This record gives sequence, C-alpha cells and structure tokens, in this order.
Amino acid sequence: EAQVTQNPRYLITVTGKKLTVTCSQNMNHEYMSWYRQDPGLGLRQIYYSMNVEVTDKGDVPEGYKVSRKEKRNFPLILESPSPNQTSLYFCASRIGQVNSPLHFGNGTRLTVT
Amino acid sequence: SQQGEEDPQALSIQEGENATMNCSYKTSINNLQWYRQNSGRGLVHLILIRSNEREKHSGRLRVTLDTSKKSSSLLITASRAADTASYFCATGGFNTDKLIFGTGTRLQVFP
Repeated sequence: EAQVTQNPRYLITVTGKKLTVTCSQNMNHEYMSWYRQDPGLGLRQIYYSMNVEVTDKGDVPEGYKVSRKEKRNFPLILESPSPNQTSLYFCASRIGQVNSPLHFGNGTRLTVT
Repeated sequence: SQQGEEDPQALSIQEGENATMNCSYKTSINNLQWYRQNSGRGLVHLILIRSNEREKHSGRLRVTLDTSKKSSSLLITASRAADTASYFCATGGFNTDKLIFGTGTRLQVFP
C-alpha cells in the first residue's frame, strides 16, 4: 500500500531532550516536506526536500533540523525542544512535478513540557 | 504567510443536505487544491483545479474557481455522516513549488 509512515504517533518529552521524528514513504517520491499544525494557524511548512541531499527552509524552520540521505526517509530532528514546539507534525511527499498533490502521514503529536 | 482563508470556520448540517465551503486567497495562483482531514489524522487530497479551469467535479464534490475574485468553493452534495471532517484549501503559485494552506472549515454532518 502506498503510504507515508511517521513514527512515533505520540511523543511526550521534556525541554532540551533531543528527539527525532521519522518519516518514510514507499512511493519513490522526490519531494518530501514537514509541516506543523496549530489551532488557528493552519499548516505551516518547516522544511522541505526536493531530492536526496537537497533540503530547504520553509516558513518556520527555527529549532528544527532535517536530513535527506535516502530518497524514502526524511527525519525531523529537534536538537533542544522547547514548549513552543508542542504541536501536531505532519510529513508529506509528492512526485517531483511542481504543485502535484501531497500525500500525508498520519501525524505525530508532540508535547514538550 | 497565510494565503487561503476558508469560510465558514465551522458548518453543521444534516445528512442529505449540501455543504458549501469557500476559500479566498490573496495572490495569483497556478492551482488550488482541496484536502480533507479527519480528526487528528493526516490530510487527504480531494481535488485540484488549475488557474485556467472554472469548475471541476469528482463524485459528490464540485469545485469552482473564480480567479477574478480570488476565490474558490467546494460543494459536497448529499452529505453523509462520514463527510464529517475539516476541509482545507491550498494554493500553489507560479514561481514556487510551495503549497500554502488555509486554516480550514470544520464540517459536522449529523445523521
């Protein structure tokens, strides 16, 4: 089944403790992206990747890192999480063609205390 | 930066009724997409309409686009309880591959 898989689904952590949220897609998509969703703010893009070893900042990249060593994986790294990073995070992927529909994972709900 | 704004923010209807949601945006677009999100889950792509199209259908969905008014509408006909979800519009520009999402309309369909 074609899908985008995120793990974990839920994560509760403390301020400053490094964490990684994994994202994997099995559709051979070139483009992958991370979003955060907050009430009243919609989805905001954190980082995106056009292809392997190519990553760029989105609208809200501060406090996050990403890497794209393989086409299928696009992990999101929070080196020193803070409470304002408490949010619902989504990974998404699509084919390389600009403005093609995005395929989303089921989300990771992160709470930083 | 917020591009699309949906209206209304929330909508409650009975099964069988039609649901109409609107999206307004600010700048020129290449295409506009609608997504559905069931509570706490990932978004699912519904339909894409290009800037040179005025109307598009997919099953019980009808999307219109008026580029002169910078607005789009999503009509769900003969709604079902399973249509209960949040619906988002997302705009794609000409010189960017970024999709910008609106804040969504929460639709509740009562059986």
